[in-house]
Amino acid sequence: QKEVEQDPGPLSVPEGAIVSLNCTYSNSAFQYFMWYRQYSRKGPELLMYTYSSGNKEDGRFTAQVDKSSKYISLFIRDSQPSDSATYLCAMKKDGGFKTIFGAGTRLFVKA
Amino acid sequence: DTAVSQTPKYLVTQMGNDKSIKCEQNLGHDTMYWYKQDSKKFLKIMFSYNNKELIINETVPNRFSPKSPDKAHLNLHINSLELGDSAVYFCASSQEYRAGEAFFGQGTRLTVV
Repeated sequence: QKEVEQDPGPLSVPEGAIVSLNCTYSNSAFQYFMWYRQYSRKGPELLMYTYSSGNKEDGRFTAQVDKSSKYISLFIRDSQPSDSATYLCAMKKDGGFKTIFGAGTRLFVKA
Repeated sequence: DTAVSQTPKYLVTQMGNDKSIKCEQNLGHDTMYWYKQDSKKFLKIMFSYNNKELIINETVPNRFSPKSPDKAHLNLHINSLELGDSAVYFCASSQEYRAGEAFFGQGTRLTVV
């Protein structure tokens, strides 16, 4: 079993839809949870960063962490064609050296 | 002004050759990383340096050797290239190794023929 599981998709939605992206994990020691967005032929860029449990909102993006279920989510409201990219979840132990990435979910937002 | 820059962006080379990829960050970060992303987009850590000291050395062939001349630079040298080394290699940096957030370069697409 991989430490971090993420459905690779692809996920295709119409413009304006609410998108839900998810990851599950097995290691309860993870405390830092990140979402990265990666456009084609570009490097990943940090989108959301959360420590421990709870929600975090930034514009159209909301990150949720449920440590009891070992489940994290990224919601995108009013999705735009420019949101079309691969979204990678990532997580890290407190004081640990390594960040573990999910496989990434490929999202297409159709105009 | 690019925060994390890698050179070259594309690299096509024959099997058996030796090649280097260079990385520089101007963010003043203490920690730098090399990641490998395969054709399925899976991103995997290879090496990490914190203040020029090697702190992560994953199970990669010893044909891969990182070198950090100073905190702002982390290079990757690959000997005797093989077909399976074809991938995109990303350099990244973070303020310090405990933090989760990292800033990535644009990647070096390596193709071994």
